[in-house]
Amino acid sequence: GENVEQHPSTLSVQEGDSAVIKCTYSDSASNYFPWYKQELGKRPQLIIDIRSNVGEKKDQRIAVTLNKTAKHFSLHITETQPEDSAVYFCAASKGWGGSQGNLIFGKGTKLSVKP
Amino acid sequence: DAGITQSPRYKITETGRQVTLMCHQTWSHSYMFWYRQDLGHGLRLIYYSAAADITDKGEVPDGYVVSRSKTENFPLTLESATRSQTSVYFCASSATNIGAQYFGPGTRLLVL
Repeated sequence: GENVEQHPSTLSVQEGDSAVIKCTYSDSASNYFPWYKQELGKRPQLIIDIRSNVGEKKDQRIAVTLNKTAKHFSLHITETQPEDSAVYFCAASKGWGGSQGNLIFGKGTKLSVKP
Repeated sequence: DAGITQSPRYKITETGRQVTLMCHQTWSHSYMFWYRQDLGHGLRLIYYSAAADITDKGEVPDGYVVSRSKTENFPLTLESATRSQTSVYFCASSATNIGAQYFGPGTRLLVL
């Protein structure tokens, strides 16, 4: 089955700097890669996702890149702000239902943005 | 999002007791999921459902039972709670079989 590795497990940056979180996946059939942000005591919230037919996607200060050949994808946050402090999870899937795989999550990266 | 709710939000129970966690969504999403979140393991899928009366096991189904008689509800039952089931449980829903999953606020369960 699918396996998702996420690095680093913790990341500390200064406000205004960029942050990069990397994930690798094992199943070459995976074609959907979302990123979730989870603040302390809150639910995971989808912040951006990418499909395998796209190499990069941006949404304001957040971008995700996908390298299908190397089977890795990354989250880039520019101009970090204290409110970006949270745990970020990557995930990979080839869809769910029936005999297809499910959404498999990485173990998370705790991002701390210091003012 | 108010569209997906869970109850109770906090629960303390004892080993061996039966516990049911409720999940309700107002979006008429076909797919619903139950995850547990534990330190060091991230989010792991317990069960999911593709539609009413259709359920299937996820990664960690042992000790849990689900049902889905109505599209909007997806209860999770721990038939005989064990300490290893102490966790935070999240319900989620999705409109399609590949795309955004929306999470409920979670239930913190402590099994003594």
